[in-house]
This record gives sequence, C-alpha cells and structure tokens, in this order.
Amino acid sequence: AQSVTQLGSHVSVSEGALVLLRCNYSSSVPPYLFWYVQYPNQGLQLLLKYTSAATLVKGINGFEAEFKKSETSFHLTKPSAHMSDAAEYFCAVRRMNTGFQKLVFGTGTRLLVSP
Amino acid sequence: NAGVTQTPKFQVLKTGQSMTLQCAQDMNHNSMYWYRQDPGMGLRLIYYSASEGTTDKGEVPNGYNVSRLNKREFSLRLESAAPSQTSVYFCASSARDSWGTTDTQYFGPGTRLTVL
Repeated sequence: AQSVTQLGSHVSVSEGALVLLRCNYSSSVPPYLFWYVQYPNQGLQLLLKYTSAATLVKGINGFEAEFKKSETSFHLTKPSAHMSDAAEYFCAVRRMNTGFQKLVFGTGTRLLVSP
Repeated sequence: NAGVTQTPKFQVLKTGQSMTLQCAQDMNHNSMYWYRQDPGMGLRLIYYSASEGTTDKGEVPNGYNVSRLNKREFSLRLESAAPSQTSVYFCASSARDSWGTTDTQYFGPGTRLTVL
C-alpha cells in the first residue's frame, strides 16, 4: 500500500535561508505525489503535484519539489524563505483502492521562519 | 466562487450529544471527503463519497455517519459524541476525470470541535 513519511515534525529557518522539507514515499506502482500547505486556522491548499510528467515540479509561492525514484523521495524546497512561508506542510500520495483513488497524508512538518 | 464551505466553524459538545457537520461545494465535483486532523497524526480519512449516491468508509469511520445529500452537499454526523472525537474536521472535494481517477482535492476551512 502507498504511504509517505515526513522527516521532522518541525523545521526552523531564518528569513532568506533555504527551505528543505523531506518526504519519502512507499509505493509498489508509479506514485502520484502532492504537497499541501496549511496556514494557521485555515484548510489545506495545493502547493504542487507530481503526476509522472516531469521529475522537477514547480508550485506556487516559489516552491518546487523533485521526484527521485532511486531515493523514493519527493522533497520540497524553496531557495529563500519568507516570513509568510511559516505554515504546516503535508506530503501526500494517491492510493489506489478498487478503482477509486484516495490521498494518504504524512504527519506534517511545521515550518518556522525567524527574522 | 466560494469553493468548499463548512459549518459551523467552532462547536463545543458534551459527551453523548449529537451533531451534524455540514459541507457544500460549488465546483461541480463528483467526489467528497471528510477528514479529521489531530496533532502529530496528519489528516485521516473518515468517510468519502466517490460520486453522488455512494459513500464508503475511510481509515477511521467508527462513531461517525455520513450522508451525500446531493452532488453539492456531504454531511458528517456524530450520533453520540465522545472526548476522543475532539478534533479539527475538514471536508474536501475533487473532480474525477474520464479514466475514473481523482484529481486535486480542495479543502474547506475546517470545523473545530471540542467534546467535553
């Protein structure tokens, strides 16, 4: 069954520093992978998704993620953190189940950005 | 375009009380979902509805029931609330393409439920 593991429940960076949020997946079939962001007291919104077209996926707000099959990883990066990036980030994989595909979410990584 | 709306935003219940969480989407999506979010556990799927007229259990269905009232609306009912159901509840919806696969899920703002 498909699953994802997010390494690190909290990541702290300084404003302007590189953001790296880690996600590893487990899947017996080519996976569809997603990154969602949740700002305080809001629902989740899609940052980007990988659907096997290109291994480097660009999303909103300057984020991107690279699919690496050899490492079973889909890490999220941003070259320069802004204060507004402080949020919780969730990696997710699409799971096949009797023809209907559902998302399975990781446990989330809270990004803290300091001035 | 409101997207996915949820009511209420906040609710406090006593153990044993019942309530229904409402969800509606205006994106003409076929599929709808209910999740709960607890600290350190991410989002866990409670129930989903692949299309109007169908509902299925997700990962944590015990203590909940759902109704897909029509294509727009998908409600979640707690018949006898328990403290373990204190959580933030999110509704989501997604389109379904011609191959029967689901696409991006769009989330509502959530309902924060406390059961005393």
